[in-house]
Parts: sequence; C-alpha cells; structure tokens
Amino acid sequence: AQSVTQLDSHVSVSEGTPVLLRCNYSSSYSPSLFWYVQHPNKGLQLLLKYTSAATLVKGINGFEAEFKKSETSFHLTKPSAHMSDAAEYFCANYGGSQGNLIFGKGTKLSVKP
Amino acid sequence: NAGVTQTPKFQVLKTGQSMTLQCAQDMNHNSMYWYRQDPGMGLRLIYYSASEGTTDKGEVPNGYNVSRLNKREFSLRLESAAPSQTSVYFCASTWGRQNTEAFFGQGTRLTVV
Repeated sequence: AQSVTQLDSHVSVSEGTPVLLRCNYSSSYSPSLFWYVQHPNKGLQLLLKYTSAATLVKGINGFEAEFKKSETSFHLTKPSAHMSDAAEYFCANYGGSQGNLIFGKGTKLSVKP
Repeated sequence: NAGVTQTPKFQVLKTGQSMTLQCAQDMNHNSMYWYRQDPGMGLRLIYYSASEGTTDKGEVPNGYNVSRLNKREFSLRLESAAPSQTSVYFCASTWGRQNTEAFFGQGTRLTVV
C-alpha cells in the first residue's frame, strides 16, 4: 500500500535562509510523487512532480526536490526563503491502481523577517 | 478556463440538515475526488470517481454519498450533517493516469452547529 509521511508538522526559518521540508514515501509501485502548496484560505497548487525522468525536479518559485529511492525520500528544498513562501506544504503519492493521490499530513512553513 | 469550480464557498448547517456540495471541471478529466481537510490531518479522501459512471469509497466515506452526474460534475451529499463533519472540503480532478497532477477547487468551508 502507498503512504506518505511528512516528518515535520512545522518548520520555521528566517528570510534568506535555506528551506528543507522532508517527505518519505512507501509504494508498491514506481512512485509518482508531488509537492503541493496551500496558502491561507486557498486551494492547493502544484509546486512540482517526480515522474522518473530525472531524480532532481525543479518546480515553481525556486523550489526543487530530489528523489532518493534508496532512502524512499522526496525532500523539498529552496536555497533562500522568502516571506511569501509562508504556507502549508503537502507531499503526495499517486495511489497506483486505486487512482487517487495520497497526501501527507502537511508541513506548515513559517518565515521570520 | 475555470479549472475546478466548487460551490458553495461557505456553509453553516444545523445538526441533522442535509446539503449537497457541487463540483464541476472543464478540463475533460476522467477522475474526480472529494477530500476533507482538518487541522493536522492533511487531506483525507472521502470518495472518488475513477471514470464517469463509477464511484468508490476512500478513507473516510461514512456520512457521505456521491454522484458522478456526468464527466464534468461530481457532487458530495451530506444526508444528516453532524458536528464531526465540520471541515474544509476540496474537490479535485485528474486525467486519472499515474504521473498526472491533480487540480483542486478553492474549497468549501462547512460548519455544522
């Protein structure tokens, strides 16, 4: 069965410092992994997705994620945080034959000035 | 191109009342989903429809019913609302194949008093 674990419920960084949001997955299939961002009172927006073409995936707004099969991880990073990055971030894995996305519990990112 | 449209955006119900949340997508997607989002729980799948004419239970289906009216529309019904159903509800759609991203509506904030 597929599952997604986001290792931190809350991450706080200072503006201009790196961001690391951690995600581990389990999957019976070759995974399809996604990161979504949700700003307050908004819907979810796709940041990036892993589709096996490349292990380092670049997304919008300077975010990227690296797929590491040996570690079953798909951590999200950004070199320099901006105040506008404050939001909740969700890692998701495609559910294979069930055809649905399975989400982690989310990581709330706070950015301090 | 509207994407995924949910109505209403906000709703307050009394315990025992019924209501239907509407969702429509204009991307010709095959699969549609209803999730609920609660603090610290991430997004949990209520029901999904892999294709027109089919529906299946997700992780938390109790107290809900769905109808895939046609390829565009997927409604969620609460027959007898309970305070435990106070949540934010999201509709999403995808092509239904692995590696394809989900597009989300803006959400319905439901309060049951």
